[in-house]
Amino acid sequence: AQKITQTQPGMFVQEKEAVTLDCTYDTSDQSYGLFWYKQPSSGEMIFLIYQGSYDEQNATEGRYSLNFQKARKSANLVISASQLGDSAMYFCAMREGNDYKLSFGAGTTVTVRA
Amino acid sequence: GAGVSQSPRYKVAKRGQDVALRCDPISGHVSLFWYQQALGQGPEFLTYFQNEAQLDKSGLPSDRFFAERPEGSVSTLKIQRTQQEDSAVYLCASSLGVGLAPNNEQFFGPGTRLTVL
Repeated sequence: AQKITQTQPGMFVQEKEAVTLDCTYDTSDQSYGLFWYKQPSSGEMIFLIYQGSYDEQNATEGRYSLNFQKARKSANLVISASQLGDSAMYFCAMREGNDYKLSFGAGTTVTVRA
Repeated sequence: GAGVSQSPRYKVAKRGQDVALRCDPISGHVSLFWYQQALGQGPEFLTYFQNEAQLDKSGLPSDRFFAERPEGSVSTLKIQRTQQEDSAVYLCASSLGVGLAPNNEQFFGPGTRLTVL
């Protein structure tokens, strides 16, 4: 079974607007971590934001915030005030328990329009 | 620079050739990972090193794939007798420690794009 599901293959957003990228996950572990990465056309995976399963508050990093709904097993990424440089592929990933490897979703392509 | 570096960035191989992909992790990082990313997909785990010890190679797709990290720093992923299905981007990542601590985030290199003709 897929551990991470990203249902939006591609999205368009107007510059300066906010966009929400969906991510749902599947795990039976109580302790896990959720990550979002950005992958521009250059190919490098850039870490954006992290949410621990025991964190009571939603994570925020600058223009990025994570809408964590534990009961629904969702960890949506919100990008506020979109910029042209935000155009990229975005991946949701999870690390379970004391495991070390990341399980990635299929990604969502975001295109910011001027 | 201080990030993870990989070489070569691009590699074209004829079917049946052997290839070697290099990863230089961030200095002092204990953990090193290799992932394979097919076109339009998310990365898939291949193997994991903690220092020089290869603790998990469950993601390696066949015995043609071999990875090493002999001195606990630089790592090499070797693919023998390459096949067309091996065409992908191979990403290396390193992290300071292990486990779920936030400072154990994985830092990725730019990847090596392998094309097998």
